[in-house]
Amino acid sequence: KAGVTQTPRYLIKTRGQQVTLSCSPISGHRSVSWYQQTPGQGLQFLFEYFSETQRNKGNFPGRFSGRQFSNSRSEMNVSTLELGDSALYLCASSLKPGLAGGYQETQYFGPGTRLLVL
Amino acid sequence: GQQLNQSPQSMFIQEGEDVSMNCTSSSIFNTWLWYKQDPGEGPVLLIALYKAGELTSNGRLTAQFGITRKDSFLNISASIPSDVGIYFCAGRPLNYGGSQGNLIFGKGTKLSVKP
Repeated sequence: KAGVTQTPRYLIKTRGQQVTLSCSPISGHRSVSWYQQTPGQGLQFLFEYFSETQRNKGNFPGRFSGRQFSNSRSEMNVSTLELGDSALYLCASSLKPGLAGGYQETQYFGPGTRLLVL
Repeated sequence: GQQLNQSPQSMFIQEGEDVSMNCTSSSIFNTWLWYKQDPGEGPVLLIALYKAGELTSNGRLTAQFGITRKDSFLNISASIPSDVGIYFCAGRPLNYGGSQGNLIFGKGTKLSVKP
């Protein structure tokens, strides 16, 4: 079974631009979560989607948004990029969202998209 | 917000030695996960724990869900060079809600092995 895939793997943007990242979950997984990873802050939760609905959102500004499609694929968008948005953006999928309990909520990560904002 | 304290932050060990690391929280967790991350890659799930007291092995790796439900331990036996990387614990608080998100991650333990 193929793992979580993320595209693109690397991206360079300039301040003020916007960016869209894509995530395809493991086949059969319907929940997708997004994380931002930086050396200083570690792994921080952005949002979680299940059945095309955002179920949870972390403490990030409104410039960070996402969506999920009927095939469970998800995209996240960052508008008006800032230098501090440079990070590794990770997508994780699970069978079901949080509180499902047990193995169903266990998250499997993709390789990430490395975003550099100049 | 809730935090996980992961220790040690880094360690150097001799090949063949056993390694231990742990995570503690101030609140009760109902799930503990251990991941390993290599440079430039996403975290890879090593072991998942779902019950207090649970002890699970994956090859040379063994992890335990603490009885108090506030901690978890990961042991690596007979370390080898490919064990190098950053190990993260992650947990789901028992009574999470609101905008705090689903999983909380430790800051990681960076493991370096001397060949």
